[in-house]
Amino acid sequence: KQEVTQIPAALSVPEGENLVLNCSFTDSAIYNLQWFRQDPGKGLTSLLLIQSSQREQTSGRLNASLDKSSGRSTLYIAASQPGDSATYLCAVPNQAGTALIFGKGTTLSVSS
Amino acid sequence: EAQVTQNPRYLITVTGKKLTVTCSQNMNHEYMSWYRQDPGLGLRQIYYSMNVEVTDKGDVPEGYKVSRKEKRNFPLILESPSPNQTSLYFCASSQGNPTDTQYFGPGTRLTVL
Repeated sequence: KQEVTQIPAALSVPEGENLVLNCSFTDSAIYNLQWFRQDPGKGLTSLLLIQSSQREQTSGRLNASLDKSSGRSTLYIAASQPGDSATYLCAVPNQAGTALIFGKGTTLSVSS
Repeated sequence: EAQVTQNPRYLITVTGKKLTVTCSQNMNHEYMSWYRQDPGLGLRQIYYSMNVEVTDKGDVPEGYKVSRKEKRNFPLILESPSPNQTSLYFCASSQGNPTDTQYFGPGTRLTVL
């Protein structure tokens, strides 16, 4: 059964720092991987969707990479800002293609 | 604006009192789903629907019902809520299935006393 793990569970950095969030999955036969952002009191917002055939996907200061063979994805945030403070979740579709399997998230705090 | 809406956003109720959480999307999406989020357990799927009149159980369906009579609406029904259903609930939708970009509602925080 697919399992998704995110380490660390929490991260605190000063403003301006570049940082990397990690996501690992046990079954490398994934269709794609999505990164979400969750703000307190709000829903999840999709940040990036990276297909299994892709190595990287970029949106603004965010860059997601995918290494299927090693079962890993990273989300790189450049020049972090206090507004980046949120919980970041990664998710992959289950084998049946009926649900997303989520990691428990990394809660990021960026201090000014 | 493309969005998924949920109502109510917050609800405190008592054990056994039937309730419905509504979910609506305005993107003409085929797929809709319900998740619950609990500390330490993360997000888990309750039910999903691939299209109108087609629904199926997710990982934690016990104590819940759903219906999909119209494409845009996917209500979650708790016939007899119990305290272990206290949770944060999210509705999600996508064009095809979960392999497409998922759009989530703002969440409904439910407390069952």
